[in-house]
Amino acid sequence: DIQMTQSPSTLSASVGDRVTITCRASQSISSWLAWYQQKPGKAPKLLIYQASTLESGVPSRFSGSGSETEFTLTISSLQPDDFATYYCQQYYTYSYTFGQGTKLEIK
Amino acid sequence: QVQLVESGGGGVQPGRSLRLSCAATGFTFSGYGMDWVRQAPGKGLEWVAAIWYDGGNKFYAESVKGRFSISRDNSKNTVYLQMDSLRAEDTAVYYCVRVRESFYSTKWFGSRGVFDIWGQGTVVTVSS
Repeated sequence: DIQMTQSPSTLSASVGDRVTITCRASQSISSWLAWYQQKPGKAPKLLIYQASTLESGVPSRFSGSGSETEFTLTISSLQPDDFATYYCQQYYTYSYTFGQGTKLEIK
Repeated sequence: QVQLVESGGGGVQPGRSLRLSCAATGFTFSGYGMDWVRQAPGKGLEWVAAIWYDGGNKFYAESVKGRFSISRDNSKNTVYLQMDSLRAEDTAVYYCVRVRESFYSTKWFGSRGVFDIWGQGTVVTVSS
């Protein structure tokens, strides 16, 4: 299986900050990468797919970049609603795999 | 309104079986691939199984291969996950998810493993 590693595991930030989460794949996955946001007790929500395509309805402060093995999710100006856990996921090949998650906390 | 509603979860002893169901509404179910994703308590997400729009192709995570079986009934707009020989490590919230694009869409390939609609989840607890 392709291993997905996110960093950091936990990130403390303040409203208005710019934050970046990194996701690394154990082998090249081209641009077959998605990002999800999950809040406690809720199902995940799709944010970005194909590494950089913003899902409809997702605020433009979210952006994704990268290819091959290294990817980033950036939130340009943190809003109170953004404090959550974020997961990357490769869909280059079955079986699909997720990163371990990055918990974004209020500083 | 596009919606997925899971059912069938509960408590079960190790070695026993359980069948999860996921009822879909608000979209043309027969055109979409469907998957199951699970999340153990306090842990991350784990992809479990996938079934193509027509049931013609099925894929499984190694951790469940040979024990779980995914199927669908397009006449009932429902996808199933049959779980046999359950283990304690199968304890999790099980989410039914929709692949983002219809198989008939020109954009399908670029979204074939992207999950845009998630159910609320159903809890499976395997314990003696």
